[in-house]
Amino acid sequence: DTGVSQDPRHKITKRGQNVTFRCDPISEHNRLYWYRQTLGQGPEFLTYFQNEAQLEKSRLLSDRFSAERPKGSFSTLEIQRTEQGDSAMYLCASSTDRSGTGELFFGEGSRLTVL
Amino acid sequence: AQRVTQPEKLLSVFKGAPVELKCNYSYSGSPELFWYVQYSRQRLQLLLRHISRESIKGFTADLNKGETSFHLKKPFAQEEDSAMYYCALANVSFQKLVFGTGTRLLVSP
Repeated sequence: DTGVSQDPRHKITKRGQNVTFRCDPISEHNRLYWYRQTLGQGPEFLTYFQNEAQLEKSRLLSDRFSAERPKGSFSTLEIQRTEQGDSAMYLCASSTDRSGTGELFFGEGSRLTVL
Repeated sequence: AQRVTQPEKLLSVFKGAPVELKCNYSYSGSPELFWYVQYSRQRLQLLLRHISRESIKGFTADLNKGETSFHLKKPFAQEEDSAMYYCALANVSFQKLVFGTGTRLLVSP
């Protein structure tokens, strides 16, 4: 297992287009998180899944954003009608609630540039 | 509400000097606190957590509930410590991790 993987690593799109990011967590991890990071800021929480259930969504996640984890394995984050303010690094992380440690394992991120 | 404050964007020290990266938090419950690190061209990774009371790569951090702080310390900085450091706070069930804005540590020879 090579850890959390994200695809694509970079995406350049025009304003108004839709984009989708994929995250494959560590195989035995039941929790999956999406974060957004802009320049000079720390990662900002977007949403969280326990297995296939989306348990929490940030107010940052407008109705243009939707995330799914259909079978409790990989997850997708879709942004519709992209805006320039959506330009950021989108980070995925996974964890297991069985360890009791709270450690999150991060992917390398998907960088979105909206022109 | 959960909030983490890292007042310094950049901390620049010479090799061998002591390092203290500041972190203050705001949380109404009993917090779980972490330090994450991101080395150049690497992914964000856990450095240490307060419940373990461990020393990792010479770094330690003590939770001070009275001052609501969780400062990261190392007595003698090394060049390989240069990285971005993020303080983070979670609720007791670790369902959401809230990060500070990060401090860039630069250790010069």
